[in-house]
Amino acid sequence: AQSVTQLGSHVSVSEGALVLLRCNYSSSVPPYLFWYVQYPNQGLQLLLKYTTGATLVKGINGFEAEFKKSETSFHLTKPSAHMSDAAEYFCAVSGGTGANNLFFGTGTRLTVIP
Amino acid sequence: GAGVSQSPRYKVAKRGQDVALRCDPISGHVSLFWYQQALGQGPEFLTYFQNEAQLDKSGLPSDRFFAERPEGSVSTLKIQRTQQEDSAVYLCASSSGVAGATGELFFGEGSRLTVL
Repeated sequence: AQSVTQLGSHVSVSEGALVLLRCNYSSSVPPYLFWYVQYPNQGLQLLLKYTTGATLVKGINGFEAEFKKSETSFHLTKPSAHMSDAAEYFCAVSGGTGANNLFFGTGTRLTVIP
Repeated sequence: GAGVSQSPRYKVAKRGQDVALRCDPISGHVSLFWYQQALGQGPEFLTYFQNEAQLDKSGLPSDRFFAERPEGSVSTLKIQRTQQEDSAVYLCASSSGVAGATGELFFGEGSRLTVL
């Protein structure tokens, strides 16, 4: 079975500060891991994903995440927050090749303070 | 269209009414998913289609929920005899590949259902 825990339903950072959104997963098979972002009144869009290979993955808008198997984590980071990063972020896990669905966390709402 | 289109965007139903929610995926996308997102929660999987075949309906919460994709493009999620607990945003997503949820999913803006 797969599941995701996102620590912190709300995170506030100052513009220009580091963004760190936490995600821990549970999976009975080698996981595929995803971060999706949802801007107000828009659909979810993929930020980045980890399937196999390099454990540090880079996504759009300067975000990156590192897969740490020993910690069962896939935290999302960005060195310098921008006002346009304010959104809701969802971590998700699937059961690998051929899996039919994604299991999402409950989301973290990021606020960027000017 | 360029993206996944869902209609209606908002639906208010009286308890006991039937509702139908439509999803128009990106043209040519083989895979189509329905998710339910309750307030303050992440999306939860309902069902998955590969072309017209419904390969997984394990997430449908009851037999009041029914989904179809008869020609392998547009899909409809039908909820019969709606209950208040059905109030949620229903998300549709499509993907170009056949590898289920391992590829990138493109989501629509959702249909917000409120059952009074």
